[in-house]
Amino acid sequence: IVLTQSPGALSLSPGERATLSCRASPTVSSSYLAWYRQKPGQPPRLLIYGASSRATGIPDRFSGSGSGTDFTLTISRLEPEDFAVYYCQQYGTSPTFGQGTRLEIK
Amino acid sequence: QVTLKESGPALVKPTQTLTLTCTLSGFSLTTDGMRVSWFRQPPGKALEWLARIDWDDDKTYSTSLRTRLTISKDASKNQVVLRMTNMDPVDTATYYCARMSWYGGNDYWGQGTPVTVSS
Repeated sequence: IVLTQSPGALSLSPGERATLSCRASPTVSSSYLAWYRQKPGQPPRLLIYGASSRATGIPDRFSGSGSGTDFTLTISRLEPEDFAVYYCQQYGTSPTFGQGTRLEIK
Repeated sequence: QVTLKESGPALVKPTQTLTLTCTLSGFSLTTDGMRVSWFRQPPGKALEWLARIDWDDDKTYSTSLRTRLTISKDASKNQVVLRMTNMDPVDTATYYCARMSWYGGNDYWGQGTPVTVSS
């Protein structure tokens, strides 16, 4: 399954809302879709699983939605620590990742 | 406290075999439902899944790298080992191991171990 993330980069200011997209081809079954945030020099951190469920300890400013082929990660009010690279992942039998969206400070 | 820690050589020569070890703490891979995967990330590029081993010793491999990979576990040491044969400079990357959560996604990751392939 190929995952295509858009945009490739996004420039926003703290406090603004961010909307990241992940499109799958073909369909992701059973909403086996996760989102991660990765800061420089660190491993990824799981934010969302099952397309819309927040992982343990993830604040409610992060939300996920979508099913089938179109998925969205929304960050309602950007905090300084949110400026990083975000990846979507389908975790079916043979997991794949999108190419990432870089969220930059404007 | 759940932790994973990767270890292995920082530098390998082309055509050599890479052996990486992931040492688990705070959970056991022999517990029903537990799964551990290996991933890699070339400098400045996206993540790539390599292989997974399950509590029941079921193993799954990346289609594109299947012929070069072997994943195994040592229950007595609570470790997962990945072997990759015929290393090439394009295999230069940071290699991560991670636990798959029972509800989906990879919830705990090691810090990663950088591997450079160069003569």
